[in-house]
Amino acid sequence: DTGVSQDPRHKITKRGQNVTFRCDPISEHNRLYWYRQTLGQGPEFLTYFQNEAQLEKSRLLSDRFSAERPKGSFSTLEIQRTEQGDSAMYLCASSSTEDGYTFGSGTRLTVV
Amino acid sequence: TQLLEQSPQFLSIQEGENLTVYCNSSSVFSSLQWYRQEPGEGPVLLVTVVTGGEVKKLKRLTFQFGDARKDSSLHITAAQPGDTGLYLCAGAMPGNTGKLIFGQGTTLQVKP
Repeated sequence: DTGVSQDPRHKITKRGQNVTFRCDPISEHNRLYWYRQTLGQGPEFLTYFQNEAQLEKSRLLSDRFSAERPKGSFSTLEIQRTEQGDSAMYLCASSSTEDGYTFGSGTRLTVV
Repeated sequence: TQLLEQSPQFLSIQEGENLTVYCNSSSVFSSLQWYRQEPGEGPVLLVTVVTGGEVKKLKRLTFQFGDARKDSSLHITAAQPGDTGLYLCAGAMPGNTGKLIFGQGTTLQVKP
């Protein structure tokens, strides 16, 4: 297993377009998390899956954001009608316990 | 609102000096984790502390969890240029979701 993979690494999109990011967690991990990080800040929690069930969503996750984890494997995060304020690093992490995450390298989104 | 206050936000020191980073909250956490992040990459877990008063050492890094499980510190002895990076503390919320609240990070620069 090569760790948590995120694709793409970088995405530049025009305001108003939709974007989708993919995360492939470590295969044995049943928990998957999405976080967003802006420059100079720590990551902020967006949402959490245990297997295929989305158990918690932050109020940061507006109606334009949706996340899925079909069959409890990979996950996707979609942002509809992107805005400049959506520009950030989107981080995915997986874990099997509360003892710490393994993060992916992130997807850097730039909305122009 | 649960907050983790990390200090200092920026630290620039000479090689060989010692330093301490602090992470404080009014909330009790079930565990506290420290991560290090390089530019353009996801955070990498350094350590997890679980028990109040716990001290863990990782080579030249010493981590301590406060007795009340509300605060933590990271001490680096004889810093080296390879220690340069963003250090993040993160508290795990009680409730077994594994959700983390991150501090805003400490950017450390160690000059040769």
